Amino acid sequence: AQSVSQHNHHVILSEAASLELGCNYSYGGTVNLFWYVQYPGQHLQLLLKYFSGDPLVKGIKGFEAEFIKSKFSFNLRKPSVQWSDTAEYFCAGRSSGGSYIPTFGRGTSLIVHP
Amino acid sequence: NAGVTQTPKFQVLKTGQSMTLQCAQDMNHNSMYWYRQDPGMGLRLIYYSASEGTTDKGEVPNGYNVSRLNKREFSLRLESAAPSQTSVYFCASSEANQGGYEQYFGPGTRLTVT
Repeated sequence: AQSVSQHNHHVILSEAASLELGCNYSYGGTVNLFWYVQYPGQHLQLLLKYFSGDPLVKGIKGFEAEFIKSKFSFNLRKPSVQWSDTAEYFCAGRSSGGSYIPTFGRGTSLIVHP
Repeated sequence: NAGVTQTPKFQVLKTGQSMTLQCAQDMNHNSMYWYRQDPGMGLRLIYYSASEGTTDKGEVPNGYNVSRLNKREFSLRLESAAPSQTSVYFCASSEANQGGYEQYFGPGTRLTVT
């Protein structure tokens, strides 16, 4: 079955540290990939998305992700995290030739200490 | 625009009681979804509706029913609540020609079944 895997379930960082959250997918062909963020007590909102073109995607709040087709990966990065980045992060993906409904990873809980 | 709205925000039920979770979107999206979110499990799709008048089962449909009342509204019903249905429920909507199925989420309903 097609799936999305997030390897880090819990990440704890200090402010100003760099962040990289892993995401791997199992789809073949052309893929659409997303990162969503859920701040404490809030709903999910889109951070960034990849459809085609430049594999380095820039999103809101200084986040970026790189699509590496050979590694089936779409890792999320931020060079310097802030306390306000404390949240749950979800990777999602779909194959453009398959169902239009994305599959979500299990999420990564990020805690940033001031 | 309110985006996606959900009611109620919180609910406590006793085992065997029934209730309906309401969802509405004002973005003129064709597709709507119901997810449940449990710790360590990510988002799991309960039911979805590709367009007005159609509904389909997702990954975890047992114990739930849905109604796509019109293009704006998509409700989720628990006929006989069970403690295993304690969860946070999110409604979402999307449209293919706007961001390629990027989903917009509601604020969630936190349901406890005792």
